[in-house]
Amino acid sequence: LAKTTQPISMDSYEGQEVNITCSHNNIATNDYITWYQQFPSQGPRFIIQGYKTKVTNEVASLFIPADRKSSTLSLPRVSLSDTAVYYCLVGASGYSSASKIIFGSGTRLSIRP
Amino acid sequence: NAGVTQTPKFRVLKTGQSMTLLCAQDMNHEYMYWYRQDPGMGLRLIHYSVGEGTTAKGEVPDGYNVSRLKKQNFLLGLESAAPSQTSVYFCASSGGTANEKLFFGSGTQLSVL
Repeated sequence: LAKTTQPISMDSYEGQEVNITCSHNNIATNDYITWYQQFPSQGPRFIIQGYKTKVTNEVASLFIPADRKSSTLSLPRVSLSDTAVYYCLVGASGYSSASKIIFGSGTRLSIRP
Repeated sequence: NAGVTQTPKFRVLKTGQSMTLLCAQDMNHEYMYWYRQDPGMGLRLIHYSVGEGTTAKGEVPDGYNVSRLKKQNFLLGLESAAPSQTSVYFCASSGGTANEKLFFGSGTQLSVL
């Protein structure tokens, strides 16, 4: 089971680019890296998922180095509405892995005006 | 398309009382999960199901029971509520194939007095 380590909290300002790094030294060959966003009083919401190199969607980018022991979630030009907790998960879903989808404490991102 | 629906949204119990939380999904997902989230903490897996009629224990199963009689529903039961079970409960579902993302409900705030 790959454990993840990410900063407890981060602060930034509107319009800035925010990068949140997650460490996962024990990632397995078939593991994917997935990021979720959680607003207060809501369930987590999928943001982005990747296996290697770079993935980009309309919300964020995910950078994964060749050794895959870490990953960086990049949020371009953040706004106040990006204030949330961000979770990095490592694992492969499927019958044998359903119990291993583990959420850590996440990174609490606060955006200021 | 409602996604994942949890009922009730709020509930207050006295110690020793029982109750059932209902989770319903309309995405024909195979996998369903129950998590609990304590203040300032990440989500912890209580029980999960990989298909109709199957259930399995997660990280913190004690004091809870579950049933998956129908594919679209996953019930979480507390037979004798304790103050330590005061938490926010989230249900999630996924397709179950490799690296499928989780879809979460909006949560149930449970207080046990």
